[in-house]
Amino acid sequence: DAKTTQPPSMDCAEGRAANLPCNHSTISGNEYVYWYRQIHSQGPQYIIHGLKNNETNEMASLIITEDRKSSTLILPHATLRDTAVYYCIVRPVTTDSWGKLQFGAGTQVVVTP
Amino acid sequence: DTEVTQTPKHLVMGMTNKKSLKCEQHMGHRAMYWYKQKAKKPPELMFVYSYEKLSINESVPSRFSPECPNSSLLNLHLHALQPEDSALYLCASSQEGLSSGNTIYFGEGSWLTVV
Repeated sequence: DAKTTQPPSMDCAEGRAANLPCNHSTISGNEYVYWYRQIHSQGPQYIIHGLKNNETNEMASLIITEDRKSSTLILPHATLRDTAVYYCIVRPVTTDSWGKLQFGAGTQVVVTP
Repeated sequence: DTEVTQTPKHLVMGMTNKKSLKCEQHMGHRAMYWYKQKAKKPPELMFVYSYEKLSINESVPSRFSPECPNSSLLNLHLHALQPEDSALYLCASSQEGLSSGNTIYFGEGSWLTVV
């Protein structure tokens, strides 16, 4: 599985957009980029995933570079409830990869008033 | 509905006790997982069940024994644990299927303390 690199921490002002970078320079063609977050003492929460194209849902947008070596998760209007550890994960879609989300250290995002 | 329910939320057990953690989902998912998360560390995969059969065991000690009684339920039986096994145990589930990158949904976890 490709490994990911994320900054250990980020601060963001409430109401502003939060842009979370992730480097996955060794990603291969059959690997998706997934983002999860984990609010303190809770289970990881799925945010969004993508393969090649940019994706948007009600929580966030995912921008994947054309060479797929990096991506950015965008929280358009951060709120205090978005304070969490954000994990960027690359995951192959093969029969022997079920559930194998390899979590890295993630980025601790703190949203301040 | 994307809910995975885990019970109990908190468990304290002695090293000679036998206890079980339970997980339930009603999303029709055919793959279910156990993850372990130590304090200030990311989750780590323990077991994967696919169609009620164990498909992946990440070299987990035998004092942890998983069981999948049916497609909606997943148990983790605990026996003779050590204090270092204290952690958050997370259950998750997902659809089978390779084409579109299926999503794995997690429960809120069971906090286990071994004394």
